[in-house]
Amino acid sequence: AQKVTQAQTEISVVEKEDVTLDCVYETRDTTYYLFWYKQPPSGELVFLIRRNSFDEQNEISGRYSWNFQKSTSSFNFTITASQVVDSAVYFCALSEPGTASKLTFGTGTRLQVTL
Amino acid sequence: SAVISQKPSRDICQRGTSLTIQCQVDSQVTMMFWYRQQPGQSLTLIATANQGSEATYESGFVIDKFPISRPNLTFSTLTVSNMSPEDSSIYLCSVVFQLYSYEQYFGPGTRLTVT
Repeated sequence: AQKVTQAQTEISVVEKEDVTLDCVYETRDTTYYLFWYKQPPSGELVFLIRRNSFDEQNEISGRYSWNFQKSTSSFNFTITASQVVDSAVYFCALSEPGTASKLTFGTGTRLQVTL
Repeated sequence: SAVISQKPSRDICQRGTSLTIQCQVDSQVTMMFWYRQQPGQSLTLIATANQGSEATYESGFVIDKFPISRPNLTFSTLTVSNMSPEDSSIYLCSVVFQLYSYEQYFGPGTRLTVT
């Protein structure tokens, strides 16, 4: 069975601080996909990134970066120089290969960025 | 980019009644899904909406309680039947545009409160 663990329930930082959101996953599959989604207070889920299990390159997109380490089954998300607009719940998710169905979500990490 | 809309955006319903939620996409998609997000919780997949055939339900969800239709490539409905307060949740549809992209994009959600 698949499982995604986001041990950090809530994180509070002051604007301009860097923050890392942890994600640890469990799967028996050799091919799988990992995702991060952002859910701002408005409630809509915003797709941030997809990573497949064969690609361990880290990725950077503006202030966002992701560190995928297969050896530790982790896919961590770092926000550099955080801003108030980054305040949201962030979900890490894992999908099975093949039909792209069955996204298994973690419990989410609520990030609060204050001035 | 494509627009995914849901109707209604929110509703308050009496127990024992049913509510049908619509998901409309402005371009064709390969796959559509329905998720439930209970208050303060993560997302749980209810079912995969299959075009022209019965939906594929996840463990713990049944067709009598959550009938789903998908008459074409851009539209699906989820009905929450015989509602109880435990059904109070956000219901989200998600879509995959390209089969092997494995990227799910979510609608804005329907916030349901059952009294």
